Amino acid sequence: EVQLVESGGGLVQPGGSLRLSCAASGFTFSSHWMTWVRQAPGKGLEWVANIKQDGSEKYYVDSMKGRVTISRDNAKNSLYLQMDSLRAEDTAVYYCTRDCSSDRCPDRFDYWGQGILVTVSS
Amino acid sequence: DVVLTQSPLSLSVTVGQPASISCGSSQSLVFSDGDTYLYWFQQRPGQSPRRLIYKVSNRDSGVPDRFSGSGSGTDFTLKISRVEAEDVGVYYCMDGTHWPPYTFGQGTKLEI
Repeated sequence: EVQLVESGGGLVQPGGSLRLSCAASGFTFSSHWMTWVRQAPGKGLEWVANIKQDGSEKYYVDSMKGRVTISRDNAKNSLYLQMDSLRAEDTAVYYCTRDCSSDRCPDRFDYWGQGILVTVSS
Repeated sequence: DVVLTQSPLSLSVTVGQPASISCGSSQSLVFSDGDTYLYWFQQRPGQSPRRLIYKVSNRDSGVPDRFSGSGSGTDFTLKISRVEAEDVGVYYCMDGTHWPPYTFGQGTKLEI
């Protein structure tokens, strides 16, 4: 059974940092791109970042470029999101989701974690 | 970036009646490989998003056959043939052709 479990969220002051983790199981983690998506309270879904299978390619939403770094450890089946210089508008539930493993991408965003809340407030 | 526009943004439906949600794209979502990477997700209250439909019309495993997706180019539709109480939630379309960034529609809230 595919499982994605996020951790590391919580309350942080504006300007602070937080590192989110996503533990994956039930599939060959190293075969998939992986993605972070967030959802501000009462708002819609927003893609944040994704990373290629070997970590050689990374892409970020413009609003977080320079403040966020996505990474992965295939040996630990884990995905990470390092967030720095956090702002109130970064307050959201952050989800990790499985992305493509091959051409034609039948598995893009087919499994999601339960989400982890990040609150940026003084 | 691609803009996806969903309509309506809110939908109130009686159980057993059909429902339809439209998703319009500012650009064609046909990729160079010939596929169209348009997805539909359901988010029930308090839950994570769940993928319902991939590449316009392919229903995910476990998704009831009352859900169907259709469309081409820039215009897409999610239809529920007979709404059930468990279908309450917010529905999002998403472009997987012109990434980065992946773009979601604003969401359509379905109520009973």
